[in-house]
Amino acid sequence: TQLLEQSPQFLSIQEGENLTVYCNSSSVFSSLQWYRQEPGEGPVLLVTVVTGGEVKKLKRLTFQFGDARKDSSLHITAAQPGDTGLYLCAGARNTGNQFYFGTGTSLTVIP
Amino acid sequence: EPEVTQTPSHQVTQMGQEVILRCVPISNHLYFYWYRQILGQKVEFLVSFYNNEISEKSEIFDDQFSVERPDGSNFTLKIRSTKLEDSAMYFCASEGLAGANEQFFGPGTRLTVL
Repeated sequence: TQLLEQSPQFLSIQEGENLTVYCNSSSVFSSLQWYRQEPGEGPVLLVTVVTGGEVKKLKRLTFQFGDARKDSSLHITAAQPGDTGLYLCAGARNTGNQFYFGTGTSLTVIP
Repeated sequence: EPEVTQTPSHQVTQMGQEVILRCVPISNHLYFYWYRQILGQKVEFLVSFYNNEISEKSEIFDDQFSVERPDGSNFTLKIRSTKLEDSAMYFCASEGLAGANEQFFGPGTRLTVL
């Protein structure tokens, strides 16, 4: 079973602080996705990274795929209360194959 | 913007009853998936569907489960005889072009088995 571990599991920070969430595995993935999930709703795709070492930016969010395509990180600069939510990473081996979801990081940004 | 839709949003059923969860994937997508998420736990893969047949399924997807794409737009998950432990959020997802590696999720159906 492919296993993606996320850390930290819970994170509570003050508005304006920076944070990094990690997604690690011993397995290689062809791509890795980051999702954000609100309570009672489906995961919403934030970004997909496919190339080892790739860095993508989405406003204050920076995503990086590890060189060996086994891990990824999400960095948020100057966090805002609207960033509060559950952040999930998910890895895929190939198109049409299942996504293996990480354990999730629950982020709370305090105003 | 195209999106995946699911109905119903919440289904309550008695143990042993059959339920059908419905999904309308994004219209030009080719790959379809069902996942479930038990409260407080991570999202788990159930089954993937391509070219009108199951392409991959997990250990969770036993003989009680089946999927269909009856009319070219809907994608359904049937649970024949529900158990208490089937209570969960069920998410449908669809994926488009080969190599895209991007699955788009519906809002989910919350299934409660009493």
